[in-house]
Amino acid sequence: DIQMTQSPSSLSASVGDRVTISCRASQSISGYLNWYQQKPGKAPKLLIYAASTLQSGVPSRFSGSGSGTDFTLTISSLQPEDFATYYCQQSYITHYTFGQGTKLDLK
Amino acid sequence: EVQLVESGGGLVKPGGSLRLSCAASGFTFSSYSMIWVRQAPGKGLEWVSSISDRSNYIYYADSLTGRFTISRDNAKNSLYLQMNSLRAEDTAVYYCARVFSSSPSGDYVNYFDSWGQGILVTVSS
Repeated sequence: DIQMTQSPSSLSASVGDRVTISCRASQSISGYLNWYQQKPGKAPKLLIYAASTLQSGVPSRFSGSGSGTDFTLTISSLQPEDFATYYCQQSYITHYTFGQGTKLDLK
Repeated sequence: EVQLVESGGGLVKPGGSLRLSCAASGFTFSSYSMIWVRQAPGKGLEWVSSISDRSNYIYYADSLTGRFTISRDNAKNSLYLQMNSLRAEDTAVYYCARVFSSSPSGDYVNYFDSWGQGILVTVSS
């Protein structure tokens, strides 16, 4: 299976900050990388697919980049509703795998 | 509006069995692959199993060691997960999700665009 490693595992930030979360795959996955946001007690929500394509309805402050093994999720200006846990997920092979998650909380 | 509603969870003893269901509405269920994902308490997301639109391609996480079976009934717009020989480590919230496929830049990429609310399975004596 392809291992996905996110960094950092947790992150404290303030409203208005620019935040970057990294995701590394154990082998090249081209652009087959998706990002999800999950709030406590809720189902995950798709933010970005194919590494950099914003899902419909997702605010433009979210962006994704990367290819191969290294990927990044950026939130340009944190809003109160963005404090949540973020997961990357590869779909290069059908044994899908997620990163361990990055918990973003209020500083 | 796409809706996915899981049912069938609850408390079961180690070694027992449980069958989860996921009722789909608001889209042409028979045209999409579907998956199950689980999340143990306080832990991350773990893909469990996938099934293609016509059930001809089925995949499982290696960690399940043959104990779970995914299936679907397109006539009933329903997805299922039969879980046998349950263990304490199977305790989790189980989500069903739709697999969407698109090609924003050439290659088709799969992603999980719609999720159910989740159902709790607790394995304990």
